[in-house]
Amino acid sequence: NAGVTQTPKFQVLKTGQSMTLQCAQDMNHEYMSWYRQDPGMGLRLIHYSVGAGITDQGEVPNGYNVSRSTTEDFPLRLLSAAPSQTSVYFCASSYERGWRAGANVLTFGAGSRLTVL
Amino acid sequence: AQSVTQLDSQVPVFEEAPVELRCNYSSSVSVYLFWYVQYPNQGLQLLLKYLSGSTLVKGINGFEAEFNKSQTSFHLRKPSVHISDTAEYFCAVSEGDNDMRFGAGTRLTVKP
Repeated sequence: NAGVTQTPKFQVLKTGQSMTLQCAQDMNHEYMSWYRQDPGMGLRLIHYSVGAGITDQGEVPNGYNVSRSTTEDFPLRLLSAAPSQTSVYFCASSYERGWRAGANVLTFGAGSRLTVL
Repeated sequence: AQSVTQLDSQVPVFEEAPVELRCNYSSSVSVYLFWYVQYPNQGLQLLLKYLSGSTLVKGINGFEAEFNKSQTSFHLRKPSVHISDTAEYFCAVSEGDNDMRFGAGTRLTVKP
């Protein structure tokens, strides 16, 4: 089935460790993004990309890196994990950005739950 | 930049009762408005959206929302809820080329 695939679903890290959350979509979507979900705070945008080779910061980018070498993949890297990064992470994509009707409807992955001890 | 306030963090309701989940937004320009639903241990999925035109928007599973520009609100309603509607509901706003901003969420619990 077409959609957004995130791996891993669960991960436990120790403070200072690094890891990469993977995100892949097979819908030929130009726009991809990473959100973190924390209780009482909703979803906050970490980084986003409007196409291969183009990335930009969202609302809470500190401590995270991204790259977009292909249209399909948008990995999120934690270089030195901290307990404050314990969260559920969602990758989302949409066909394109802009004012066209329906352009901003996001398709979400199932999420990756990260615990940093 | 736009922001979204969901006025209730939790809404308990009995099965077959009506429900309203409230959402207010702030923005200096025209916006697109969305409601997403998140079932337990799943990602978010679109419930309905307002882009332009009629202020009453109908979505999936019998939900509807009304855009009120003067009150900057986009409240979600359902006349009769089911147990299966138990989920977390997120209001979101998109402003021009800016990215989507989400509210903190409202957890709807439908009791038998």
